[in-house]
Amino acid sequence: GDSVTQMEGPVTLSEEAFLTINCTYTATGYPSLFWYVQYPGEGLQLLLKATKADDKGSNKGFEATYRKETTSFHLEKGSVQVSDSAVYFCALASGTALIFGKGTTLSVSS
Amino acid sequence: DSGVTQTPKHLITATGQRVTLRCSPRSGDLSVYWYQQSLDQGLQFLIHYYNGEERAKGNILERFSAQQFPDLHSELNLSSLELGDSALYFCASSVEGDGNQPQHFGDGTRLSIL
Repeated sequence: GDSVTQMEGPVTLSEEAFLTINCTYTATGYPSLFWYVQYPGEGLQLLLKATKADDKGSNKGFEATYRKETTSFHLEKGSVQVSDSAVYFCALASGTALIFGKGTTLSVSS
Repeated sequence: DSGVTQTPKHLITATGQRVTLRCSPRSGDLSVYWYQQSLDQGLQFLIHYYNGEERAKGNILERFSAQQFPDLHSELNLSSLELGDSALYFCASSVEGDGNQPQHFGDGTRLSIL
C-alpha cells in the first residue's frame, strides 16, 4: 500500500542554519503531496503542497519539490528561526485520506 | 485558527467505557475526516464522511463508529475502551471529498484511559 518515509529526528539546529528534512513515498500513480507542521498542543497546519511532478510548493520560507524520479518531497528552508521549532509531517493523498510519515521534530536554538 | 472545532479537549475515562468526540468543520466544508495519533502508530486515518455519507474507511476498529449529521458536524463514538485507545484524536475538514485538497485540522481531543 501507499506509504511515506521521513527522516527520524530530532533535528537540532542553530538559528539561521539551513534545514533539510527528507521525505520519500511509495504510491500508485502520482498523488498530491503535503507538508504539515504541528506546534506543541496544537493541531496540524498545512505548510505547503504540490499536486504534480516538478511542482514546487512554498510557504513562509519553506520549499519542497515533487520529484517523481526519486519519489521524494524533501522540505527545505534556507534560514531557520527559533519559532520554526515544531514537528513536521510529510503526507500523501491516498484516495480521500492522507497517509502520514512518522514526523520529524525540529528544535532550533538561538 | 483552522476553523475546525473539536470538543472536548481532554477526556479521561476508564476501560470498558464509551465516549463521544465531537467535531464542527470549517464553514462551507462538506467533508470530515477522523485521525488517531499515538506514539507507537503515528497518525492514522480512521474514517471520512462527505455531506452525511461515509466515503472511506481506514484502520478503524469495530468498537469505533462515526456519523455526520445534517448540519455537517460529526461525532466519533468509541466503545468498550481499552488502554491502547489512549491517543490524540483529530478531526479535519475540506471543501470537497477530493484527496488533492488540503485538509484543515482541529486541535484534537486527548483521550486518556485509566
